[in-house]
Amino acid sequence: EVQLVQSGAEVKKPGESLRISCKGSEYSFTNYWIGWVRQMPGKGLEWMGIIYPGDSDTRYSPSFQGQVTISADKSINTAYLQWSSLRASDTAIYYCARRAEGAEFFQHWGQGTLVSVSS
Amino acid sequence: EIVLTQSPGTLSLSPGERATLSCRASRGVSSSYLAWYQQKPGQAPRLLIYGDSNRATGIPDRFSGSGSGTDFTLTISRLEPEDVAVYYCQQYVSSPLTFGGGTKVEIK
Repeated sequence: EVQLVQSGAEVKKPGESLRISCKGSEYSFTNYWIGWVRQMPGKGLEWMGIIYPGDSDTRYSPSFQGQVTISADKSINTAYLQWSSLRASDTAIYYCARRAEGAEFFQHWGQGTLVSVSS
Repeated sequence: EIVLTQSPGTLSLSPGERATLSCRASRGVSSSYLAWYQQKPGQAPRLLIYGDSNRATGIPDRFSGSGSGTDFTLTISRLEPEDVAVYYCQQYVSSPLTFGGGTKVEIK
């Protein structure tokens, strides 16, 4: 069974940096795109960007370009989402999700990582 | 960017009733490039429907998708208590991928 296991909840202050992770298992990690989706408190889903771990090809939503960095380490089957300087408005649940083969919908989802940013 | 508008915002029905959820796109989307997700309280989203109304693995046949062009519908033929959730549509015909704002389904 495909699994995506995300790192635990984080509490940070504005201006701090952060990297959260998503570890894939029970499938060929390098052959499927992994995306990141934001869900702000009480709100809907927003696509942030996506990475192909096989060659680290990365695409960003214009709304998130320059705000976050998506990366992957295929040697440990893990994708990352990172911020260099957090803001209070980054408070949200972040989901990683594996894209289906050949189509850009998300077939498998991680459990989500809650990021809280407050002074 | 394709904007997806879902309606109604909230749907309150009795068990056994039929639920009809709408997703309207700001420009044409092939039905082959529209998906629906279910998000139960406190859980991650789960894929329900993709492509030309294909149900994802393990999804009961009371869930079905239809539509074309700019108007799409998710139908729950007989509402069960476990169907309480927020439902999102998503288009994947063009980048950036976008989701609708969601429809919350409640049980009366």
